[in-house]
Amino acid sequence: DQQVKQNSPSLSVQEGRISILNCDYTNSMFDYFLWYKKYPAEGPTFLISISSIKDKNEDGRFTVFLNKSAKHLSLHIVPSQPGDSAVYFCAASEGNTGKLIFGQGTTLQVKP
Amino acid sequence: GAGVSQSPSNKVTEKGKDVELRCDPISGHTALYWYRQRLGQGLEFLIYFQGNSAPDKSGLPSDRFSAERTGESVSTLTIQRTQQEDSAVYLCASSSPGRAMNTEAFFGQGTRLTVV
Repeated sequence: DQQVKQNSPSLSVQEGRISILNCDYTNSMFDYFLWYKKYPAEGPTFLISISSIKDKNEDGRFTVFLNKSAKHLSLHIVPSQPGDSAVYFCAASEGNTGKLIFGQGTTLQVKP
Repeated sequence: GAGVSQSPSNKVTEKGKDVELRCDPISGHTALYWYRQRLGQGLEFLIYFQGNSAPDKSGLPSDRFSAERTGESVSTLTIQRTQQEDSAVYLCASSSPGRAMNTEAFFGQGTRLTVV
């Protein structure tokens, strides 16, 4: 039972363009969502988060959008840079437990 | 320490042997997670410790897997009678949930386990 799903295993974009990574969830009790970035041979690092009381959170080049009715969130990176090439994981948690559930990840390649 | 520390960084073991993986969380973090990432796969939840609450063991794949945590400190993940399918990177993370329980978790570098 995959509660957090990233249906695109990979994405390739040109440097300077927008990268859009998508994530869907099934558990309506999730109320906090996060995006992590992972380079090979390293642990995931936190990028950006959003609470379910918001529909958008922006931090520099990174913006996360949340559509609660569709149980969908997305991460926008603009402009994309070659250093953004990594695996991106979406995660969700329930406020009463704090337990984080991750998606399968999307490998982003930004071409110079 | 400054971050989450995991040891060993790499472990090669023979099928059937027991292994013990260690995680030192960030000081003061009450929550600790173990995840597994098989080659080409996502982060698979294994177990979650939060303060004095009973751990959430719902992700442990079999009774060969167990984990302990000493107070709000070190955790060890033990895999008994290892199988080749246990080969993966085992990641530990810790966090300091506030009253709302929602906060980001910080990951260690992981332990790459290879069962031969």
